[in-house]
Amino acid sequence: RKEVEQDPGPFNVPEGATVAFNCTYSNSASQSFFWYRQDCRKEPKLLMSVYSSGNEDGRFTAQLNRASQYISLLIRDSKLSDSATYLCVVKYTGTASKLTFGTGTRLQVTL
Amino acid sequence: ETGVTQSPTHLIKTRGQQVTLRCSSQSGHNTVSWYQQALGQGPQFIFQYYREEENGRGNFPPRFSGLQFPNYSSELNVNALELDDSALYLCASRGGGTDTQYFGPGTRLTVL
Repeated sequence: RKEVEQDPGPFNVPEGATVAFNCTYSNSASQSFFWYRQDCRKEPKLLMSVYSSGNEDGRFTAQLNRASQYISLLIRDSKLSDSATYLCVVKYTGTASKLTFGTGTRLQVTL
Repeated sequence: ETGVTQSPTHLIKTRGQQVTLRCSSQSGHNTVSWYQQALGQGPQFIFQYYREEENGRGNFPPRFSGLQFPNYSSELNVNALELDDSALYLCASRGGGTDTQYFGPGTRLTVL
C-alpha cells in the first residue's frame, strides 16, 4: 500500500465548475500536510498547507481529517489556468525535511 | 520564482556512466533535499543535507550520493547509471523554522 494515495484522474471539468480531490495517508505519525501544484514538465509549487481546522485561500479550500487520515482540496469556480496535476504531500514526525508525495491527480479544465 | 536553481536542465547519458547534478539553494536556506520523479509518479525522496552533512535518506542505493558545500549549494551524484534512473531530478531548499520547501526547476536525465 502506498503511503499517500490519490486518484490519478484525469478530472475533466468545465470552466466555473467546483471540483474536489481526496487523498489518504497511511502513517498516523504525520505532522504536516500540503497540496502542491505541478504543471506539465515543471517543478512542484506549494499551493497551500493544510490544517486540522481547515483553511481557505481564495477559490481553494483544504481540509484535514486526522482521525480518518484523509486530506481534501476543493477548487471553486475552476479556471482554465487551474489545469495541472495536484500533489498531496505529507511530512512525518521526526523525518527532517522528507516529504512524501502522492502520485498526483490531474485536472483538466475546459471551455 | 523560488530562487532555487539547478543545472543542467537536460542531460542524456548512457547506461553505466556517472552523472553529477547541481543545485543552488534559496538564499539563507541551509537544508537541501533531492527528489527523483519518474514519469507519471510523484517525487520520491532521495536524501537531505543540512550544514554539509547527510541527515536523512530515502530508499535509494549507495550509488546515489551527494554533497553540500559551505554556501549550502549541493550536488547529486549517480554512478553506474541504469535505464530506470531516467527521471526528473528535483532539489528543494528549506530555511530554519519552517516546513515549506521550495523546488528548483529540475534536471531531466535520460539514460539510454
